[in-house]
Amino acid sequence: EAGVAQSPRYKIIEKRQSVAFWCNPISGHATLYWYQQILGQGPKLLIQFQNNGVVDDSQLPKDRFSAERLKGVDSTLKIQPAKLEDSAVYLCASSTLRSGGSGYTFGSGTRLTVV
Amino acid sequence: KQEVTQIPAALSVPEGENLVLNCSFTDSAIYNLQWFRQDPGKGLTSLLLIQSSQREQTSGRLNASLDKSSGRSTLYIAASQPGDSATYLCAVKAAGNKLTFGGGTRVLVKP
Repeated sequence: EAGVAQSPRYKIIEKRQSVAFWCNPISGHATLYWYQQILGQGPKLLIQFQNNGVVDDSQLPKDRFSAERLKGVDSTLKIQPAKLEDSAVYLCASSTLRSGGSGYTFGSGTRLTVV
Repeated sequence: KQEVTQIPAALSVPEGENLVLNCSFTDSAIYNLQWFRQDPGKGLTSLLLIQSSQREQTSGRLNASLDKSSGRSTLYIAASQPGDSATYLCAVKAAGNKLTFGGGTRVLVKP
């Protein structure tokens, strides 16, 4: 099966600019996640979708970050305006509904550098 | 709030030595615990998954144990090879299908 696709792979922007990332999950996976991984740290969950509804966005900085999942498939994550501390790898993952199974598949991530 | 800690943060061993990576978590109400491998510039690859009712899982040279009551898991990698050099992350899954990650252990296996 095809993996989780993310684009772009790399992005360099100046602070206060805006940026958007795209994710295409594995076909049939109802749950989609966006994680932020700062260099040297583990991934931190930003937002979790179940189909096209938000399940958990408690750690999403909503003053500058937004995300949507149209038709329960693809998703975009946007940052506007970007800050230096947003420099990180943004990982998208998808999983099945089974809470006891593994089911998680991660994309290769988008590396964002804010200068 | 679940917190996951991994010790050590970095580890360097000569080829052939066994690796022992530790993971601890604060809330024992988990569905499962998963070990991932991350290579530089890449995504995460799942290595082993241990259900909350299990004590250990094995895959080739990898063995992971889980002691849910004490909030600990250990990943053993036998007879390490330079190709094992990577960052290893543990993550626990709790209610809501949510994964909480540790900070990772960076492993370097020297030829």
